[in-house]
Amino acid sequence: NAGVTQTPKFRVLKTGQSMTLLCAQDMNHEYMYWYRQDPGMGLRLIHYSVGEGTTAKGEVPDGYNVSRLKKQNFLLGLESAAPSQTSVYFCASRPGRPDEQYFGPGTRLTVT
Amino acid sequence: GENVEQHPSTLSVQEGDSAVIKCTYSDSASNYFPWYKQELGKRPQLIIDIRSNVGEKKDQRIAVTLNKTAKHFSLHITETQPEDSAVYFCAASKSNYQLIWGAGTKLIIKP
Repeated sequence: NAGVTQTPKFRVLKTGQSMTLLCAQDMNHEYMYWYRQDPGMGLRLIHYSVGEGTTAKGEVPDGYNVSRLKKQNFLLGLESAAPSQTSVYFCASRPGRPDEQYFGPGTRLTVT
Repeated sequence: GENVEQHPSTLSVQEGDSAVIKCTYSDSASNYFPWYKQELGKRPQLIIDIRSNVGEKKDQRIAVTLNKTAKHFSLHITETQPEDSAVYFCAASKSNYQLIWGAGTKLIIKP
């Protein structure tokens, strides 16, 4: 099992550009999450999904959109990147009941 | 809404000594309490968790205690080693979708 994978690992964007981050999991988990982590800070939830075709807003959803068309994939989109979105983005997944969240390796995004 | 407070923000201990990190939560309906370790530049990884029907859980040098009445739980690391240096996050969850995270504790092990 690869667990949770994220693509790409690094990316530099210019202000106003758009991009999509891909998260994939092969554990058949129902729930998937997108977090951002700013330097020296904790994890903040952007959006999450409780199953295929569902999405919901987390703590800091503004400026981001998500889609979960397939159970194994959770996409995070930035329509018009801003310097404030410079961060490390982590995807996570977990089974149906409250249990361990498995994290991907992260995507380091810099917006100039 | 649910809130989780974590203390201290930084903890420095001598190698071989014990370290204790404490978290308090606000929602008495919370029933799942994990602890994650994040090494520099790496992803968070679960090191131990406890559910509300248990008061204490141990795994080798790591233990977690839960006091439901006081709504706090603690991580105990004994015989600390250099590889224990990391940021530790606590979290709390009800039987729903989200974990509510603490702000993290940077643990420094002095040689």
